[in-house]
Amino acid sequence: NAGVIQTPRHKVTGKGQEATLWCEPISGHSAVFWYRQTIVQGLEFLTYFRNQAPIDDSGMPKERFSAQMPNQSHSTLKIQSTQPQDSAVYLCASSSRTGGGVQDTQYFGPGTRLLVL
Amino acid sequence: GQGVEQPDNLMSVEGTFARVNCTYSTSGFNGLSWYQQREGHAPVFLSYVVLDGLKDSGHFSTFLSRSNGYSYLLLTELQIKDSASYLCAVRMPNYNVLYFGSGTKLTVEP
Repeated sequence: NAGVIQTPRHKVTGKGQEATLWCEPISGHSAVFWYRQTIVQGLEFLTYFRNQAPIDDSGMPKERFSAQMPNQSHSTLKIQSTQPQDSAVYLCASSSRTGGGVQDTQYFGPGTRLLVL
Repeated sequence: GQGVEQPDNLMSVEGTFARVNCTYSTSGFNGLSWYQQREGHAPVFLSYVVLDGLKDSGHFSTFLSRSNGYSYLLLTELQIKDSASYLCAVRMPNYNVLYFGSGTKLTVEP
């Protein structure tokens, strides 16, 4: 089991450019979560998919951020017109189910470190 | 908002123990998870608790008091390699979204 895979591991963009981050969940996991981690804000929830359907995006900035899950093997987080304040580590996590209990444990990928200059 | 609080730093000595505290005040609760995170790496799952009391998992033990909104992670027989950040996260009833504390950086000294 390769765990959650995220690519790229590091990305540098110029202000105003677009950034697309990829996540491959653990095979068989039906739930995918995106989080953002910064020193100031810590680890913050962004959005969540279950069985590829978007369920909760309450943590997503309403402008410039979007997420998709076109198939069960990958999800993308897209940031348009990136700004320096978007610099963070973006973490993807997956879990096997969301019905409750330890089996809902979220397993994290290594993250994508985004730097916007 | 959802409040999950942890002290920023904790120091202890190899061979002894360390207790990482976490207090929370959230609109819902469906258990609390603890993760270990090393610099530049992903959070690694350690433990999940949903019932009050102490859960002994050997090197790591966790305690929960739901009435007090309080949990701790207890590490015993500390080793230098236990130096890391420890994150607590409240799992919300709606779809099990996690709300994280800022993490406690544990430094284990010789």
